[in-house]
Parts: sequence; C-alpha cells; structure tokens
Amino acid sequence: QQQVKQSPQSLIVQKGGISIINCAYENTAFDYFPWYQQFPGKGPALLIAIRPDVSEKKEGRFTISFNKSAKQFSLHIMDSQPGDSATYFCAAHSVYSGAGSYQLTFGKGTKLSVIP
Amino acid sequence: GAGVSQSPSNKVTEKGKDVELRCDPISGHTALYWYRQSLGQGLEFLIYFQGNSAPDKSGLPSDRFSAERTGGSVSTLTIQRTQQEDSAVYLCASSLGAGDVGGYTFGSGTRLTVV
Repeated sequence: QQQVKQSPQSLIVQKGGISIINCAYENTAFDYFPWYQQFPGKGPALLIAIRPDVSEKKEGRFTISFNKSAKQFSLHIMDSQPGDSATYFCAAHSVYSGAGSYQLTFGKGTKLSVIP
Repeated sequence: GAGVSQSPSNKVTEKGKDVELRCDPISGHTALYWYRQSLGQGLEFLIYFQGNSAPDKSGLPSDRFSAERTGGSVSTLTIQRTQQEDSAVYLCASSLGAGDVGGYTFGSGTRLTVV
C-alpha cells in the first residue's frame, strides 16, 4: 500500500511565525507532490505543488522544500496569519500500472491554528 | 457550473439503508474521482472515471459500494446496507483529463452519518 506520512497532526503558531509541515513517502514512482488547504465545510483546494526534479518552489508566503534522496518534502508558511488556519494535506501522485489510473495519495492532514 | 457540485451536503441515514450521493463535475472535465474523508484519516481514494473508459474501482472498500457516471458527466456513489463505519465525508473531484493532477477541483462533500 502506498503511503504518505504527514506530521505533525496539529500545529499552533503565533501570528507572524513560520509554520512547517513535513511529509515522507516510500514509493519512488511518485512524480508530483501537491499540498492542499481545506477550510471547515469545504473541499480541499490546491495550494502549491512541486515535481521531484526541483528542490524548492515558492509562491508568495508558501514554500515547498523537496529532498528526493530522503524522500521527504515540507511546506513552509512564512509570516503565518490567522486566515491561514486550516487543515493542510500533502499528497503524492502516481500512475498505477494495472488500471492506468491517476490518483493522489494523501497524508492524514495537519490542523494549523494561527493565534493572534 | 463554476465548481464541482455535490448533493446532498448532509445525509443522516439508519444503519442498513441504502444511500445515493451525487456529484456534478465541472463542465468539460473528463476525469472524476471519489474520495472518502474520515476523521483524522486523510483522504482515501475510492473510484476514478476517465471519459468512456472502464472506471478504476480499486479503492472501493467493499461490494456494498458502487458508482456510476452517466453520459460522462454526473456521477452517483451508492452505498448499500450502510454501516456505522461508513460515516464520513464523501468528496468528489474532477479534472480536465487523465494525469491533470494539478487541476483537481474538489466539491464541498457530502457528510454521511449512519445512526
């Protein structure tokens, strides 16, 4: 079973601080690593994503760091704001050879609370 | 529509009853996915449809679960003889096509409670 392990389960950060969420994977066939943000009562929304040939990607206050040799990637939220309070999921994409389908395998999520 | 629409938003059912959950994908999106989100468990893949191809049902947890997609658009997820462990949020997502993982758009989900 392909897995993506995410930590921590929950995170409390002061406004203006840096939030860091980590993920690790096992399957070297994963070829795309997105992060999703989910607010209560809503579906997950794509936040930022990276491919394994890149070590870092930055979009505004959000940065993904990717370590291919360690099979780890992380999300950094700089200058965290109360509006960033949400659940964050890392994910990894693979093509299953059997059905040839395209799936995302998700981590279990991190509930981020940014306190004023 | 502008987004992925799911109905109902909430469903409470008695154990043993059948339920149907509906997903209306974004117009023009040929790929459609169902995921299940249980508390503290992340998102679990259930089934994938791509155009007129046979669906990938590898994630369905038991034969009580089935799904269909009519006319390459609307999809219905059916759970027969519901059990308490089926209680979860069922999320549907669509994308332009196979491999367009960057373009997944999720609906807001159906919260199913089996009592």
